[in-house]
Amino acid sequence: KAGVTQTPRYLIKTRGQQVTLSCSPISGHRSVSWYQQTPGQGLQFLFEYFSETQRNKGNFPGRFSGRQFSNSRSEMNVSTLELGDSALYLCASSTLAAGGKVQYFGPGTRLTVT
Amino acid sequence: TQLLEQSPQFLSIQEGENLTVYCNSSSVFSSLQWYRQEPGEGPVLLVTVVTGGEVKKLKRLTFQFGDARKDSSLHITAAQPGDTGLYLCAGFGNQFYFGTGTSLTVIP
Repeated sequence: KAGVTQTPRYLIKTRGQQVTLSCSPISGHRSVSWYQQTPGQGLQFLFEYFSETQRNKGNFPGRFSGRQFSNSRSEMNVSTLELGDSALYLCASSTLAAGGKVQYFGPGTRLTVT
Repeated sequence: TQLLEQSPQFLSIQEGENLTVYCNSSSVFSSLQWYRQEPGEGPVLLVTVVTGGEVKKLKRLTFQFGDARKDSSLHITAAQPGDTGLYLCAGFGNQFYFGTGTSLTVIP
């Protein structure tokens, strides 16, 4: 099976612009979660989608939004970019196993805001 | 606010040495996972522990979940350069809460 893919891998944007990141989960996985990783804050949960519905949301401002399509692919949008939004954005698709929820991460999108 | 604190934050050891990484919280989790992340890649799941007091072994790696399901440890025996990476613990409540991370460097 192909793993989780994220596009683009690298992105440079200017303050005030908006950006859309894409994630294709592992085939058959219906749950997709998004995380922000920074050196200072570590890995922080943004939101989770399951069957096109947002199931859970982290503590991020409304500038961060997402959606999921019927084929389980997901997009994340950040509007009015700020310097502090520079981070590695990780997508994870998940499934349930005997030991609980198992997440498989993509390689991430490195976003730099200048 | 970090729910899960890991220690140490950085660790640099010689090949063949043993080490332990700790993951502590004041919150109870239904399960706890350990991941390893290498530069330019996403985290890769190593293990999931579910029961308080549970111990799991993965080759030279031993994982333990605290009796109260609030903390966990990762012990590596005879570390090798291939063990180098960022180790992350993650507790599951209604979502995954990740620890602060431990950056391990194993020097040949």
